[in-house]
Amino acid sequence: DTEVTQTPKHLVMGMTNKKSLKCEQHMGHRAMYWYKQKAKKPPELMFVYSYEKLSINESVPSRFSPECPNSSLLNLHLHALQPEDSALYLCASSQGTGTSYYGYTFGSGTRLTVV
Amino acid sequence: DAKTTQPNSMESNEEEPVHLPCNHSTISGTDYIHWYRQLPSQGPEYVIHGLTSNVNNRMASLAIAEDRKSSTLILHRATLRDAAVYYCILRSDRGSTLGRLYFGRGTQLTVWP
Repeated sequence: DTEVTQTPKHLVMGMTNKKSLKCEQHMGHRAMYWYKQKAKKPPELMFVYSYEKLSINESVPSRFSPECPNSSLLNLHLHALQPEDSALYLCASSQGTGTSYYGYTFGSGTRLTVV
Repeated sequence: DAKTTQPNSMESNEEEPVHLPCNHSTISGTDYIHWYRQLPSQGPEYVIHGLTSNVNNRMASLAIAEDRKSSTLILHRATLRDAAVYYCILRSDRGSTLGRLYFGRGTQLTVWP
């Protein structure tokens, strides 16, 4: 298995809703990432998990809450989002955060619309 | 963080070679040069990376200037499926930047049949 699987592919939520995005990989990668991508813009790093511990939080608002229950799974819990949070949310994984890896593997993303 | 500069867009005809340039004049000795591409409605896809020497893989070749201040991604025979945004990225593993992969604006490659 050489893929990162993200579910759901599309999500529409209201500003008062609570929802979660899920990301899964079975490549034995020990680093996992969340990125946010607005239309026609490059992906922006949000969070980095290394060995199931949060190592980087790029000053992301608290309405986004990441969780890494085990080495294969990464969640992003969403609460009280704003319409400007509508974007493509990408998950990625790599063997580690050091230079001995061979590249990040990205999922296809969850297209989130906040109404 | 060291930055990269790429042309906003490039065009090529199918079956012709494509050379995608990237400038990174502030690169440090420990920065790796990475290339990713993103097809419409998909996540970015790893293409190739290198440090000092030229690199080849099944997807592309990476030519790195001797002073490392620029690099070129080479697609030997462009196909319609190569139409994508190509990102040149410097990745540092020093201190607080460990694990970070920052994307620049990228080059939109159009391939004509």
